Amino acid sequence: EAGVVQSPRYKIIEKKQPVAFWCNPISGHNTLYWYRQNLGQGPELLIRYENEEAVDDSQLPKDRFSAERLKGVDSTLKIQPAELGDSAVYLCASSPVFRPGNTGELFFGEGSRLTVL
Amino acid sequence: SQQGEEDPQALSIQEGENATMNCSYKTSINNLQWYRQNSGRGLVHLILIRSNEREKHSGRLRVTLDTSKKSSSLLITASRAADTASYFCAADSNYQLIWGAGTKLIIKP
Repeated sequence: EAGVVQSPRYKIIEKKQPVAFWCNPISGHNTLYWYRQNLGQGPELLIRYENEEAVDDSQLPKDRFSAERLKGVDSTLKIQPAELGDSAVYLCASSPVFRPGNTGELFFGEGSRLTVL
Repeated sequence: SQQGEEDPQALSIQEGENATMNCSYKTSINNLQWYRQNSGRGLVHLILIRSNEREKHSGRLRVTLDTSKKSSSLLITASRAADTASYFCAADSNYQLIWGAGTKLIIKP
């Protein structure tokens, strides 16, 4: 079974440039997460999707970040314009079913490492 | 946001020794999960313990949960070089996973 696939693995851009990350979750997983992970820290949730609906985007900096999950399958996270502080690893994760009160096991991709110069 | 805490931040032990990592959280939880992250890679789920469980085993892993103290521990027995990684706890609370900052474990040969 294929795991969560993310691309690109690495991206180096100059500040004020746009950048986009793509994620393909495990087939059949309804719930999709985007996390940001700074060096030496745990993941921080940016957005959670249930199928195509963004059910938790409270931590997404909406002035410059946007995300979409068309048709409830793969997802794109965009930053425009990027700032120096956006340098981090962007992780995508999926899980099969989101049961109220229980998150369950998350399956993570390898991440996209962004460096903003 | 991160509201979990883990200690120690870093742990270096000899191969074959046991490694213990601790996690504390602040809210009531449904379950608590432990993940491993190798350098430059994604996180891998290790074990999940439900709020009504006190101890759980999986291979060389032993997890305990004390909901009265809002804490959990992960024990890795007979450590191997391949166990070198960062370990994160994640508390499942109110539709959110609350992550700790992780413990960096180094196994010396």
